Amino acid sequence: AQKITQTQPGMFVQEKEAVTLDCTYDTSDQSYGLFWYKQPSSGEMIFLIYQGSYDEQNATEGRYSLNFQKARKSANLVISASQLGDSAMYFCAMRERSNFGNEKLTFGTGTRLTIIP
Amino acid sequence: DVKVTQSSRYLVKRTGEKVFLECVQDMDHENMFWYRQDPGLGLRLIYFSYDVKMKEKGDIPEGYSVSREKKERFSLILESASTNQTSMYLCASSLYQDNEQFFGPGTRLTVL
Repeated sequence: AQKITQTQPGMFVQEKEAVTLDCTYDTSDQSYGLFWYKQPSSGEMIFLIYQGSYDEQNATEGRYSLNFQKARKSANLVISASQLGDSAMYFCAMRERSNFGNEKLTFGTGTRLTIIP
Repeated sequence: DVKVTQSSRYLVKRTGEKVFLECVQDMDHENMFWYRQDPGLGLRLIYFSYDVKMKEKGDIPEGYSVSREKKERFSLILESASTNQTSMYLCASSLYQDNEQFFGPGTRLTVL
């Protein structure tokens, strides 16, 4: 079963509008973390934002915020005032424990965001 | 700034060849990771290492092995490359296991 689900393979958004990228997760752990990464066409993975399962406030980093709804197991990324440079692939990832107790990330399949001028 | 480098951006190999992908990080990170990225599948963890000479299998370790003899270097080995191993390979490192991971630029491997 998918542990991280990103249901939007692609999105087109007008420049300057806000955009929400969906991410739902599945875990039975009490302690976990959610990450969002951006991958522009150049290929490098850029860390955007992190939310811990015990964090009471939604994480924010500049124009990025994470809408964390624990009961619904969702961790949507919100980008305010979108810019052309936001066009990229976006991945949601969950930190979870391996069978041997080490931490690892599991990634979703990604959402390709295109900002239209 | 953390820097993670990978030995090649593009690599073309023949079926059956032994392939080495090298990854080096310069920030004394404990943890290093190898992923492959395929369209529609996202990133999938192949192997990771949480200390020198220590490793753990990820979600898709079949056909791969790894080596970490020094803290800064983590190698991915394809013992006998096959066409279904054509992919983008990404290396990452992190200081602690629950920190964000820093990624290298990737190696696009084509196996003919």
